[in-house]
Amino acid sequence: DTEVTQTPKHLVMGMTNKKSLKCEQHMGHRAMYWYKQKAKKPPELMFVYSYEKLSINESVPSRFSPECPNSSLLNLHLHALQPEDSALYLCASSQGREEDGYTFGSGTRLTVV
Amino acid sequence: SQQGEEDPQALSIQEGENATMNCSYKTSINNLQWYRQNSGRGLVHLILIRSNEREKHSGRLRVTLDTSKKSSSLLITASRAADTASYFCATDRRDDKIIFGKGTRLHILP
Repeated sequence: DTEVTQTPKHLVMGMTNKKSLKCEQHMGHRAMYWYKQKAKKPPELMFVYSYEKLSINESVPSRFSPECPNSSLLNLHLHALQPEDSALYLCASSQGREEDGYTFGSGTRLTVV
Repeated sequence: SQQGEEDPQALSIQEGENATMNCSYKTSINNLQWYRQNSGRGLVHLILIRSNEREKHSGRLRVTLDTSKKSSSLLITASRAADTASYFCATDRRDDKIIFGKGTRLHILP
């Protein structure tokens, strides 16, 4: 298995809802990442987990809460989001070996209404 | 900011022609990577060039790196309709994260 799987593919949520995005990889990668991407913009790093521990938080608002239950799973819990949080949320993983680069999932298209 | 700057922002060429995209960055790097993104989809890793390398090839892709000018270029030869996508450079400073440039939107005309 050489993929990163993200669910759901699309999500519409209200500003008072609580929802979660899920990411799964079975490549044994030691690092996992959340990126946020607005239309026609580059992906922006949100969080990095290394060996299941949060190693980088790029000053992301607390309404986004990451969780890494095990080495294969990465969640992003969403609560009290704003319409401007609507974006494509991308999960990625890497083995840490330079030549491999990052493996990205197809993303979750989030719309906050 | 470490973020790279791609040039041009958008490029339209005829199928069969070569496409060249450039990337500039601001600080020292460990490596530079190029990714492709089809509309609204995830990113696909294309090629990685280390800071001590000057040129690298992979199929129809050729990447150059000039660390003295802090710039890189991606050449796609004999372009195909399937190459239509956005292309991003990403710089890695070995601090467990990569930072993406603004991207070039490439459109291959039939």
